[in-house]
Amino acid sequence: GDSVTQMEGPVTLSEEAFLTINCTYTATGYPSLFWYVQYPGEGLQLLLKATKADDKGSNKGFEATYRKETTSFHLEKGSVQVSDSAVYFCALSINSWGKFQFGAGTQVVVTP
Amino acid sequence: EAGVVQSPRYKIIEKKQPVAFWCNPISGHNTLYWYRQNLGQGPELLIRYENEEAVDDSQLPKDRFSAERLKGVDSTLKIQPAELGDSAVYLCASSLDQGGKLSGANVLTFGAGSRLTVL
Repeated sequence: GDSVTQMEGPVTLSEEAFLTINCTYTATGYPSLFWYVQYPGEGLQLLLKATKADDKGSNKGFEATYRKETTSFHLEKGSVQVSDSAVYFCALSINSWGKFQFGAGTQVVVTP
Repeated sequence: EAGVVQSPRYKIIEKKQPVAFWCNPISGHNTLYWYRQNLGQGPELLIRYENEEAVDDSQLPKDRFSAERLKGVDSTLKIQPAELGDSAVYLCASSLDQGGKLSGANVLTFGAGSRLTVL
């Protein structure tokens, strides 16, 4: 079945450091890929998305490129801030009526 | 525009008691989802509605869980009786389902969730 695997956390880094969160997927069709972020006590918020191979999603300094050849959608940010501390979820949706599959989430802790 | 509204935010009950959660999706969103999120894990789908029809309830434990979306707008998720293992955050999400013919990127908008603690 369809699945998403992302690196385990917590990922702890200092402010202004470079962040990478790995995400790989398996899917029978041609999925759309997403990163969602969850701040403490809140629901998930869409961070970025990509709908086809080689698309790059970007938002708030975060980027992720849809790599079909490696079935990956790694999240990156060049310089993190304390406010980026959150749990990040990679997710996929097969192009048939909104069936979503989420990864387990990666907690990111940014220290001053 | 108001987002997805859920209530209550927090609920503490004893095992074997009933509990209900309510969700009001974004206006105009035809698809509504209930997810369960256990501590340290990603959301897992319980049920998905398209308008008032439950189109995917394969993961809903039907012996104790029930859900309804009578008018195709707001929805209620009920657990009766609750068990210790039901302690989790119950997330509601909605989307405007444009189908796979377009971009295919139906975006979910989540509510803040209802945190259930069963003692």
